[in-house]
Amino acid sequence: SYELTQPPSVSVSPGQTASITCSGDKLGDKYVCWYQQKPGQSPVLVIYQDRKRPSGIPERFSGSNSGNTATLTISGTQAMDEGDYYCQAWDRGTVVFGGGTKLTVL
Amino acid sequence: QVQLQESGPGLVKPSQTLSLTCNVSGGSISSGGYYWSWIRQHPGKGLEWIGYIYYSGSTYYNPSLKSRVTISVDTSKNQFSLNLTSLTAADTAVYFCARAKQQLIDYWGQGTLVTVSS
Repeated sequence: SYELTQPPSVSVSPGQTASITCSGDKLGDKYVCWYQQKPGQSPVLVIYQDRKRPSGIPERFSGSNSGNTATLTISGTQAMDEGDYYCQAWDRGTVVFGGGTKLTVL
Repeated sequence: QVQLQESGPGLVKPSQTLSLTCNVSGGSISSGGYYWSWIRQHPGKGLEWIGYIYYSGSTYYNPSLKSRVTISVDTSKNQFSLNLTSLTAADTAVYFCARAKQQLIDYWGQGTLVTVSS
């Protein structure tokens, strides 16, 4: 089955740029989404189709996808961006999630 | 604004069957182009896709759960359901229902905690 791999944790200082990677075999051939989840809440879509932002998502969130790696980038990271981030792709009709990355803003 | 709400028991005994229902409001479940999904999250862990159903009734399941999962839809009630059989403690999780389309998941329910314990 298809697998997506994320680093367990990423730390960033406020105002700096955070990058969270998601790797998978030929991932660049698929569309990738990113979700943010805060404790006790449902996930929220922050990036879809590799680089598009849903309405209401700040411009500081951006995405890219090429080769075997997709990247979520948060520019000018704020304390409110702290949480868990999950990448997701579709593979042969099935939904695949990465293991998640805990973003700490300190 | 589409809203999804899970309902079902919070506590189920081992070996029994879990039945959850997701009520959809603000949109018709019969609208084409959407995949009505179940996703779970074990305590302190990541997201695990369980499966989805199209309004026509066609289904796709996670291969690791396929032998125990059934997802059905009731268009007259605008809801869809999850049945998971032969429960063990490993099935203890928060269960989310969600709407997927065009390779993204745009709406999620609030999630419901299901504990498997005798």
